[in-house]
Amino acid sequence: QVQLVESGGGVVQPGGSLRLSCAASGFTFNSYGMHWVRQAPGKGLEWVAFIRYDGSNEYYGDSVKGRFTISRDRSKNTLYLQMNSLRAEDTAVYYCAKVEGMWDSDYAADYWGQGTLVTVSS
Amino acid sequence: DIQMTQSPSSLSASVGDRVTITCRASQGISNFLAWFQQKPGKAPKSLIYAASSLQSGVPSKFSGSGSGTDFTLTISSLQPEDFATYYCQQYNSYPYTFGQGTKLEIK
Repeated sequence: QVQLVESGGGVVQPGGSLRLSCAASGFTFNSYGMHWVRQAPGKGLEWVAFIRYDGSNEYYGDSVKGRFTISRDRSKNTLYLQMNSLRAEDTAVYYCAKVEGMWDSDYAADYWGQGTLVTVSS
Repeated sequence: DIQMTQSPSSLSASVGDRVTITCRASQGISNFLAWFQQKPGKAPKSLIYAASSLQSGVPSKFSGSGSGTDFTLTISSLQPEDFATYYCQQYNSYPYTFGQGTKLEIK
């Protein structure tokens, strides 16, 4: 069965960096695009980033563009989110999600991880 | 950016009721619309993609419709486990955007 397990969250000071990981199993990782989505405490869902199945293209939300980088390692079946220049408003639970369709057929999220909490505070 | 507006923001209903949640896009998004359910402290669960296609394992009591700018999620015969917050999301153009959520509560 599909499993997505995020890790790497924690407490970081403003201006600091953190790298999140999402270990994928139960599906052909290299055939599916992947998303990062976050949720600030008590708030709604916010789309963060997307990477195509082959890593050839990346897309970002306006609030993280230029500070966050999404990447993937096909040999490790792992998705990453490198977060730099962190701000208090980046405090959130970060979820990775697999897309519905193989290759480029459909980019809706279908399976989600359990999330990892990032707290940006001095 | 495309703005997604859900209505209502909150909704009270009884077990056995049928409810409809609306999602409106600020510009046309064809059928690139997904619906998610989220319970407190849990990850979102995917319900519908491509506006009306049911995700695997999701019961047929959930149905979606619409195209262009106006979409609906209908839940029939509400059960206690259906009380949650529901989100729509457009994935027609970047940045992908979510609605603000609709909290479905027990009356």
